[in-house]
Amino acid sequence: AAGVIQSPRHLIKEKRETATLKCYPIPRHDTVYWYQQGPGQDPQFLISFYEKMQSDKGSIPDRFSAQQFSDYHSELNMSSLELGDSALYFCASSSDRLREPLHFGNGTRLTVT
Amino acid sequence: GNSVTQMEGPVTLSEEAFLTINCTYTATGYPSLFWYVQYPGEGLQLLLKATKADDKGSNKGFEATYRKETTSFHLEKGSVQVSDSAVYFCALSPYSGAGSYQLTFGKGTKLSVIP
Repeated sequence: AAGVIQSPRHLIKEKRETATLKCYPIPRHDTVYWYQQGPGQDPQFLISFYEKMQSDKGSIPDRFSAQQFSDYHSELNMSSLELGDSALYFCASSSDRLREPLHFGNGTRLTVT
Repeated sequence: GNSVTQMEGPVTLSEEAFLTINCTYTATGYPSLFWYVQYPGEGLQLLLKATKADDKGSNKGFEATYRKETTSFHLEKGSVQVSDSAVYFCALSPYSGAGSYQLTFGKGTKLSVIP
């Protein structure tokens, strides 16, 4: 069965650079969630989208932005990267925003040096 | 604020042993409670859920009961298998109906089952 696809799997950036993470939800899922998991930390909700509109916002820094496109894939854009941004970023999708996310992607591991 | 506390791992069990992973939570209102599982090299998957007090979620032999009086949602399985080796996350969502699900996770408990 198709799953949530994230790319890239690993990304290494330097401080003050920018990064773009991509998430392709399960087909026919219109809701996407982004989470950040720092080393040894529990996942933290960043932002979610429903039908290409921002649905909820969590602890997402102002340096980050995200959007959902017409094909429902989503991109997380991160600028002025800091060492503390090093984390595992994963997204999840659901068939609508009234349902909990069933499946998460394998995540993108971002390392900022 | 909302928080989830899980027992620390790693937990190592022999095949067919009984499993309990403790989870307690702090939340306002009446959150929904979840257990997610992450197998090696894969993303999180919803294992089971409960949406109100005394509900029991179950799936693949795993069970958890929503205990409001003790604010707990402990995960249990009567007989674990090697294939159950994974990281288990307890989570809650104070979904109010106004937005999407914002999950608050515990730190995860790694389970290793040996033959």
